[in-house]
Amino acid sequence: AQSVTQPDIHITVSEGASLELRCNYSYGATPYLFWYVQSPGQGLQLLLKYFSGDTLVQGIKGFEAEFKRSQSSFNLRKPSVHWSDAAEYFCAVGPANNAGNMLTFGGGTRLMVKP
Amino acid sequence: GAVVSQHPSRVICKSGTSVKIECRSLDFQATTMFWYRQFPKQSLMLMATSNEGSKATYEQGVEKDKFLINHASLTLSTLTVTSAHPEDSSFYICSASDKDTNSPLHFGNGTRLTVT
Repeated sequence: AQSVTQPDIHITVSEGASLELRCNYSYGATPYLFWYVQSPGQGLQLLLKYFSGDTLVQGIKGFEAEFKRSQSSFNLRKPSVHWSDAAEYFCAVGPANNAGNMLTFGGGTRLMVKP
Repeated sequence: GAVVSQHPSRVICKSGTSVKIECRSLDFQATTMFWYRQFPKQSLMLMATSNEGSKATYEQGVEKDKFLINHASLTLSTLTVTSAHPEDSSFYICSASDKDTNSPLHFGNGTRLTVT
Protein backbone atom coordinates (compact mmCIF):
# COMPACT_ATOMS: atom_id res chain seq x y z
CA ALA A 1 0.00 0.00 0.00
CA GLN A 2 1.18 3.49 -0.72
CA SER A 3 1.89 6.00 1.98
CA VAL A 4 3.32 9.47 2.29
CA THR A 5 5.08 10.82 5.35
CA GLN A 6 5.74 14.44 6.11
CA PRO A 7 7.86 14.27 9.26
CA ASP A 8 7.44 17.91 10.23
CA ILE A 9 3.97 18.94 11.38
CA HIS A 10 4.99 22.57 11.92
CA ILE A 11 7.90 24.60 10.65
CA THR A 12 8.67 28.22 11.43
CA VAL A 13 11.16 30.18 9.37
CA SER A 14 12.09 33.82 9.18
CA GLU A 15 11.13 35.81 6.14
CA GLY A 16 13.96 35.69 3.64
CA ALA A 17 15.37 32.45 5.00
CA SER A 18 15.56 29.26 3.00
CA LEU A 19 13.02 26.50 3.38
CA GLU A 20 12.97 22.75 3.00
CA LEU A 21 9.88 20.64 3.63
CA ARG A 22 10.47 16.92 3.83
CA CYS A 23 8.43 14.23 2.15
CA ASN A 24 9.04 10.50 2.09
CA TYR A 25 6.88 8.04 0.25
CA SER A 26 6.29 4.35 0.00
CA TYR A 27 4.95 3.13 -3.31
CA GLY A 28 4.96 -0.20 -5.07
CA ALA A 29 5.57 1.15 -8.53
CA THR A 30 6.88 4.24 -10.25
CA PRO A 31 5.00 7.11 -8.65
CA TYR A 32 3.82 10.47 -9.71
CA LEU A 33 4.71 12.97 -6.98
CA PHE A 34 3.06 16.26 -6.18
CA TRP A 35 3.25 19.17 -3.82
CA TYR A 36 0.12 21.17 -3.06
CA VAL A 37 -0.37 24.28 -0.95
CA GLN A 38 -3.52 25.10 0.99
CA SER A 39 -4.37 28.49 2.46
CA PRO A 40 -6.83 28.54 5.39
CA GLY A 41 -10.35 27.67 4.32
CA GLN A 42 -9.31 27.10 0.74
CA GLY A 43 -8.80 24.19 -1.59
CA LEU A 44 -5.46 22.93 -2.78
CA GLN A 45 -3.25 24.57 -5.36
CA LEU A 46 -0.70 22.54 -7.27
CA LEU A 47 2.85 23.83 -6.73
CA LEU A 48 4.72 21.30 -8.82
CA LYS A 49 4.76 17.71 -9.96
CA TYR A 50 7.24 15.03 -10.92
CA PHE A 51 6.39 12.46 -13.54
CA SER A 52 9.72 11.52 -15.08
CA GLY A 53 12.93 12.99 -16.46
CA ASP A 54 14.92 15.63 -14.63
CA THR A 55 14.71 14.88 -10.94
CA LEU A 56 14.81 18.56 -10.00
CA VAL A 57 11.49 20.12 -10.86
CA GLN A 58 10.56 23.76 -10.78
CA GLY A 59 7.16 24.94 -9.68
CA ILE A 60 5.22 28.10 -9.18
CA LYS A 61 5.99 30.79 -6.61
CA GLY A 62 9.70 30.02 -6.68
CA PHE A 63 9.39 26.50 -5.27
CA GLU A 64 11.36 23.50 -6.44
CA ALA A 65 11.52 19.86 -5.42
CA GLU A 66 14.01 17.09 -5.94
CA PHE A 67 13.07 13.47 -6.47
CA LYS A 68 15.55 11.06 -4.91
CA ARG A 69 14.57 7.52 -5.71
CA SER A 70 17.27 5.99 -3.49
CA GLN A 71 15.87 7.86 -0.49
CA SER A 72 12.21 7.66 -1.51
CA SER A 73 12.04 11.38 -0.96
CA PHE A 74 10.59 14.39 -2.71
CA ASN A 75 11.55 17.39 -0.59
CA LEU A 76 10.22 20.84 -1.36
CA ARG A 77 12.57 23.82 -1.24
CA LYS A 78 12.51 27.56 -1.61
CA PRO A 79 15.63 29.74 -1.35
CA SER A 80 13.93 32.76 0.21
CA VAL A 81 10.58 32.55 1.96
CA HIS A 82 8.02 35.33 1.78
CA TRP A 83 5.38 36.05 4.41
CA SER A 84 2.70 35.06 1.89
CA ASP A 85 4.11 31.53 1.82
CA ALA A 86 2.61 30.82 5.24
CA ALA A 87 0.17 27.98 4.59
CA GLU A 88 -0.28 24.24 4.82
CA TYR A 89 1.76 22.14 2.41
CA PHE A 90 0.84 18.65 1.30
CA CYS A 91 2.97 16.09 -0.48
CA ALA A 92 1.05 13.49 -2.46
CA VAL A 93 1.73 10.38 -4.51
CA GLY A 94 -0.31 8.85 -7.29
CA PRO A 95 -0.03 6.06 -9.82
CA ALA A 96 2.33 6.70 -12.71
CA ASN A 97 -0.09 5.32 -15.24
CA ASN A 98 -2.73 7.91 -14.52
CA ALA A 99 -1.85 11.40 -13.39
CA GLY A 100 -5.46 12.22 -12.72
CA ASN A 101 -6.16 9.28 -10.51
CA MET A 102 -6.72 9.43 -6.79
CA LEU A 103 -3.88 10.65 -4.65
CA THR A 104 -2.52 9.61 -1.29
CA PHE A 105 -1.64 12.62 0.81
CA GLY A 106 0.87 13.14 3.54
CA GLY A 107 -0.26 14.59 6.83
CA GLY A 108 0.76 18.09 5.85
CA THR A 109 3.28 20.60 7.15
CA ARG A 110 2.12 23.94 8.45
CA LEU A 111 4.56 26.68 7.56
CA MET A 112 4.70 29.81 9.67
CA VAL A 113 6.81 32.77 8.61
CA LYS A 114 8.29 35.17 11.13
CA PRO A 115 8.75 38.79 10.07
CA GLY B 1 -6.00 26.92 -16.64
CA ALA B 2 -8.29 24.16 -15.49
CA VAL B 3 -10.74 25.25 -12.83
CA VAL B 4 -12.90 23.27 -10.47
CA SER B 5 -15.77 25.15 -8.89
CA GLN B 6 -17.28 23.95 -5.65
CA HIS B 7 -20.51 25.30 -4.20
CA PRO B 8 -21.43 26.33 -1.60
CA SER B 9 -18.25 27.44 0.11
CA ARG B 10 -19.95 27.44 3.48
CA VAL B 11 -23.18 25.90 4.75
CA ILE B 12 -24.78 25.65 8.13
CA CYS B 13 -27.63 23.21 8.58
CA LYS B 14 -29.66 21.72 11.36
CA SER B 15 -29.17 18.19 12.55
CA GLY B 16 -31.32 15.75 10.58
CA THR B 17 -31.44 17.76 7.37
CA SER B 18 -29.64 17.02 4.13
CA VAL B 19 -27.06 19.16 2.35
CA LYS B 20 -25.95 18.99 -1.26
CA ILE B 21 -22.51 20.09 -2.38
CA GLU B 22 -21.75 20.63 -6.06
CA CYS B 23 -18.46 20.17 -7.84
CA ARG B 24 -18.10 21.44 -11.40
CA SER B 25 -15.25 21.31 -13.85
CA LEU B 26 -15.55 24.63 -15.63
CA ASP B 27 -13.41 24.25 -18.73
CA PHE B 28 -12.75 20.56 -19.07
CA GLN B 29 -14.53 17.24 -18.90
CA ALA B 30 -13.94 14.95 -15.98
CA THR B 31 -14.85 11.30 -16.19
CA THR B 32 -13.77 10.90 -12.61
CA MET B 33 -14.06 13.22 -9.67
CA PHE B 34 -12.90 12.62 -6.14
CA TRP B 35 -14.42 13.67 -2.84
CA TYR B 36 -12.22 14.29 0.18
CA ARG B 37 -12.93 15.14 3.76
CA GLN B 38 -10.57 17.16 5.89
CA PHE B 39 -10.79 17.54 9.66
CA PRO B 40 -9.21 20.58 11.28
CA LYS B 41 -5.43 20.59 11.05
CA GLN B 42 -5.41 17.20 9.38
CA SER B 43 -4.75 15.87 5.93
CA LEU B 44 -7.26 15.01 3.24
CA MET B 45 -8.98 11.68 3.48
CA LEU B 46 -10.44 10.23 0.31
CA MET B 47 -14.11 9.46 0.78
CA ALA B 48 -15.16 8.25 -2.63
CA THR B 49 -14.43 8.21 -6.32
CA SER B 50 -17.24 9.56 -8.45
CA ASN B 51 -17.57 8.02 -11.90
CA GLU B 52 -19.64 9.64 -14.61
CA GLY B 53 -22.61 7.49 -15.49
CA SER B 54 -21.97 4.81 -12.91
CA LYS B 55 -21.99 4.22 -9.19
CA ALA B 56 -19.42 5.85 -6.98
CA THR B 57 -16.69 3.82 -5.34
CA TYR B 58 -16.52 4.42 -1.61
CA GLU B 59 -13.51 4.06 0.63
CA GLN B 60 -13.64 1.70 3.53
CA GLY B 61 -15.55 3.12 6.45
CA VAL B 62 -17.50 5.68 4.43
CA GLU B 63 -21.25 5.14 4.55
CA LYS B 64 -22.60 5.20 1.03
CA ASP B 65 -26.16 5.75 2.23
CA LYS B 66 -25.11 8.78 4.20
CA PHE B 67 -22.87 10.36 1.60
CA LEU B 68 -24.75 10.11 -1.67
CA ILE B 69 -22.73 10.84 -4.77
CA ASN B 70 -24.15 11.54 -8.20
CA HIS B 71 -22.05 12.16 -11.29
CA ALA B 72 -24.67 12.81 -13.92
CA SER B 73 -22.50 14.59 -16.45
CA LEU B 74 -18.87 15.01 -17.40
CA THR B 75 -18.73 18.36 -15.65
CA LEU B 76 -20.78 17.88 -12.49
CA SER B 77 -20.62 15.69 -9.43
CA THR B 78 -22.69 16.20 -6.31
CA LEU B 79 -22.21 15.00 -2.75
CA THR B 80 -25.30 14.92 -0.56
CA VAL B 81 -24.84 14.52 3.16
CA THR B 82 -28.10 12.96 4.29
CA SER B 83 -29.56 13.26 7.76
CA ALA B 84 -26.59 15.31 8.84
CA HIS B 85 -25.30 15.14 12.39
CA PRO B 86 -22.82 17.39 14.19
CA GLU B 87 -20.06 14.82 13.68
CA ASP B 88 -20.46 15.33 9.93
CA SER B 89 -19.22 18.88 10.34
CA SER B 90 -16.05 19.09 8.34
CA PHE B 91 -14.35 20.58 5.29
CA TYR B 92 -15.26 18.73 2.10
CA ILE B 93 -13.13 19.11 -1.00
CA CYS B 94 -13.65 17.77 -4.50
CA SER B 95 -11.10 17.29 -7.24
CA ALA B 96 -11.12 16.39 -10.89
CA SER B 97 -8.76 15.69 -13.74
CA ASP B 98 -9.10 16.50 -17.42
CA LYS B 99 -9.77 13.14 -19.00
CA ASP B 100 -8.35 14.24 -22.35
CA THR B 101 -4.99 15.46 -21.11
CA ASN B 102 -4.47 13.13 -18.15
CA SER B 103 -3.56 16.20 -16.14
CA PRO B 104 -2.96 16.25 -12.41
CA LEU B 105 -5.91 16.76 -10.16
CA HIS B 106 -7.39 20.21 -9.76
CA PHE B 107 -9.14 20.96 -6.52
CA GLY B 108 -12.20 22.95 -5.65
CA ASN B 109 -12.01 25.54 -2.90
CA GLY B 110 -13.84 23.30 -0.49
CA THR B 111 -17.09 23.47 1.45
CA ARG B 112 -17.17 24.12 5.17
CA LEU B 113 -20.16 22.22 6.56
CA THR B 114 -21.37 22.99 10.05
CA VAL B 115 -24.20 20.93 11.47
CA THR B 116 -25.90 22.42 14.52
